[in-house]
Amino acid sequence: EDKVVQSPLSLVVHEGDTVTLNCSYEVTNFRSLLWYKQEKKAPTFLFMLTSSGIEKKSGRLSSILDKKELFSILNITATQTGDSAIYLCAVPTDSWGKLQFGAGTQVVVTP
Amino acid sequence: GAGVSQSPSNKVTEKGKDVELRCDPISGHTALYWYRQSLGQGLEFLIYFQGNSAPDKSGLPSDRFSAERTGGSVSTLTIQRTQQEDSAVYLCASSPRAGGYTGELFFGEGSRLTVL
Repeated sequence: EDKVVQSPLSLVVHEGDTVTLNCSYEVTNFRSLLWYKQEKKAPTFLFMLTSSGIEKKSGRLSSILDKKELFSILNITATQTGDSAIYLCAVPTDSWGKLQFGAGTQVVVTP
Repeated sequence: GAGVSQSPSNKVTEKGKDVELRCDPISGHTALYWYRQSLGQGLEFLIYFQGNSAPDKSGLPSDRFSAERTGGSVSTLTIQRTQQEDSAVYLCASSPRAGGYTGELFFGEGSRLTVL
């Protein structure tokens, strides 16, 4: 059975801290791993990772994939209150975009 | 509008009633997906439509749930004889093509369903 497990489930940090979020997965036929940010209702796309060891970066966010150990991490450096959100990890379970999501990590950044 | 539009944004209903949730995808997107998010949970796949192919209904939790997509555009998710466990946010997403290769699904704001 395809499975995505995220940790921690939640964390609280102070502005300026660095956050590392974890995502481990089991999927029959790996295609990619995706990160989404959900601030209020609509998740928004952050990254798609397909190759091991290649870091994807967008501003203060970065992510990397380890296909041997079946996990990915999402890093947020110099956190800001606007980074407060639920971060979702997902893997496609078919070639048509059906995604298996993890439960998410709720990040709260305090001033 | 430019994004995925869902209605209603909030729906409160009594147990046993039927509800319809509507999704208007981004114009030109061929793939449309329905997900459900219960309190504190990740997104649970329900159904997707890809062009003219038969929909993948494998995620629908029971035969009380059904969905259709008319004219390759607007979709309606229908829940018959609602139960309290149906309470959740129902999210619709669209993709310009089979999303598995780009990964990017464009989500609507969701319809929050509360069954009393």
